[in-house]
Amino acid sequence: SQQGEEDPQALSIQEGENATMNCSYKTSINNLQWYRQNSGRGLVHLILIRSNEREKHSGRLRVTLDTSKKSSSLLITASRAADTASYFCATDEGSNYKLTFGKGTLLTVNP
Amino acid sequence: GAVVSQHPSRVICKSGTSVKIECRSLDFQATTMFWYRQFPKQSLMLMATSNEGSKATYEQGVEKDKFLINHASLTLSTLTVTSAHPEDSSFYICSARDRTFSMNTEAFFGQGTRLTVV
Repeated sequence: SQQGEEDPQALSIQEGENATMNCSYKTSINNLQWYRQNSGRGLVHLILIRSNEREKHSGRLRVTLDTSKKSSSLLITASRAADTASYFCATDEGSNYKLTFGKGTLLTVNP
Repeated sequence: GAVVSQHPSRVICKSGTSVKIECRSLDFQATTMFWYRQFPKQSLMLMATSNEGSKATYEQGVEKDKFLINHASLTLSTLTVTSAHPEDSSFYICSARDRTFSMNTEAFFGQGTRLTVV
């Protein structure tokens, strides 16, 4: 079942602006992961945040996790046209190591 | 990072034929691989979990006789779409996790296979 729900479903911004995407989930998790997918391609792992972490940075990416609200956000700073892609959150609930993906946010960065 | 190779990237087949998709972990051993299906502009739907040396575990609503999964070695899992029909046309993606991984590690994904049944 799809647990994660991304918000917004689509986001269009100009180069240089920041992009924020949100994800909500329903059950307890071990970690939450963000992935990127270019059109018609496989997924690329961006960042993993554990359930006992609240914030994590990687380059221009900043991820937050609020387990009390069962939500996470992905911030991409100083966006570039090459950041145009779909972004998915995925929750890892534990024992069977499978990921449950949200519906994704389609980000378009206009040059 | 670890590499998962999926082949073929695109395949067109006639209705009624079977298609095999391969998923290989190139530089690590994967006890467990996962097969997903993705419809246009939608999310990934987990179809089944492939376990090396044992039967695959299918998600609810996925026909195991339609989507045959074989995980014969620690580096190879195959998905065979049997007696394919146009409604089976989709994007199929595999992922693998390193057998030595701890709980909080990422999954590695193949490039995906675009299946078109005509």
